[in-house]
Amino acid sequence: AQSVTQLDSHVSVSEGTPVLLRCNYSSSYSPSLFWYVQHPNKGLQLLLKYTTGATLVKGINGFEAEFKKSETSFHLTKPSAHMSDAAEYFCVVSDQSGNQFYFGTGTSLTVIP
Amino acid sequence: GAVVSQHPSRVICKSGTSVKIECRSLDFQATTMFWYRQFPKKSLMLMATSNEGSKATYEQGVEKDKFLINHASLTLSTLTVTSAHPEDSSFYICSARGIWTEAFFGQGTRLTVV
Repeated sequence: AQSVTQLDSHVSVSEGTPVLLRCNYSSSYSPSLFWYVQHPNKGLQLLLKYTTGATLVKGINGFEAEFKKSETSFHLTKPSAHMSDAAEYFCVVSDQSGNQFYFGTGTSLTVIP
Repeated sequence: GAVVSQHPSRVICKSGTSVKIECRSLDFQATTMFWYRQFPKKSLMLMATSNEGSKATYEQGVEKDKFLINHASLTLSTLTVTSAHPEDSSFYICSARGIWTEAFFGQGTRLTVV
């Protein structure tokens, strides 16, 4: 079975400082992993994804994530937070068929000016 | 990336009436569409999965007679909330996937039942 744990429900950073949003997963096979961002009252936007290949994945808006199989982690990072990054972030793992997506509980990112 | 359009973005309806929400894939063929419900400050709860031309598969605890899902074409799925009640008020989000591994999400619909 697949599952996702987002370790922090809220993260608060100052503008210009690094962002780290943590995600651990559980999967019985090599997973596909995703990070989505949701702004208030909006749908979800894909930030980045990992399927196979390079374990360091670069996404939009300066975000990146590293797939670490030994640690079963897929943490999301950004070197310098911007005010517009304030949003809800979801880590997602899909099953082998790609027809089931398992969502983490979300991390709310606050950026302090 | 591919575009999924969800309409309406907001709707207010009276208790006892029905509301239809549309989800369209604008530039790709969506073989599978998903409908989610999101409660305030919570994650997404999968309600049902639909494949084009087939009946939707509902998650446990979701009333299929209350939440009618139709996926009549490769670009359109609809969710109808029948006999809506205030407890059905929520944010509903659809997503669609075609040949890629990831799903693309609609903008969501804020349903308020008064």
